[in-house]
Amino acid sequence: EDKVVQSPLSLVVHEGDTVTLNCSYEVTNFRSLLWYKQEKKAPTFLFMLTSSGIEKKSGRLSSILDKKELFSILNITATQTGDSAVYLCAVESGAGSYQLTFGKGTKLSVIP
Amino acid sequence: ETGVTQTPRHLVMGMTNKKSLKCEQHLGHNAMYWYKQSAKKPLELMFVYNFKEQTENNSVPSRFSPECPNSSHLFLHLHTLQPEDSALYLCASSQGSEFEQYFGPGTRLTVT
Repeated sequence: EDKVVQSPLSLVVHEGDTVTLNCSYEVTNFRSLLWYKQEKKAPTFLFMLTSSGIEKKSGRLSSILDKKELFSILNITATQTGDSAVYLCAVESGAGSYQLTFGKGTKLSVIP
Repeated sequence: ETGVTQTPRHLVMGMTNKKSLKCEQHLGHNAMYWYKQSAKKPLELMFVYNFKEQTENNSVPSRFSPECPNSSHLFLHLHTLQPEDSALYLCASSQGSEFEQYFGPGTRLTVT
């Protein structure tokens, strides 16, 4: 059974801090790993990672994948209160059929 | 504002009712998805449609019946639901099964 584990489950930081969110996975026929930010309701897409060692960046957010050790990290620098959300990690897998397995998410709270 | 819309945004229904959730995407995508998010649980993939054909049904009870009349519209027909079916139902779309997914705002369903 495919498994995606995120840590920590929750995190409280002060504005300006840098945070690192972790996602490890065990899946059959890995295709890609995705990060989403969920505020209030619908998750919004952040990154899709398919290759090891290539960092993807978007503003203060960055992410990297390690396919050998089966994990990914999401970094947020100079955090702001608007970064408060649940960050979801999902892994696409499957040779013929399609599977998408989500972790439980990391709830990040950024306090002024 | 995302390119994926869902109606209604909130729905309260009794266990004997029949209702439908609607999803529409304006992104020209070919794949559409239904997800269920219950409190304190990871996001669960329910159904996948690719070019209007259902390609995944992740052991979803038959009281949930999807319909995809064209690549832009996706329905989830509900009948004789149980209180444990109360959850946020999210629709998503992607260009193809190997591309990132974009989510709608969700329908908050309460079964009484």
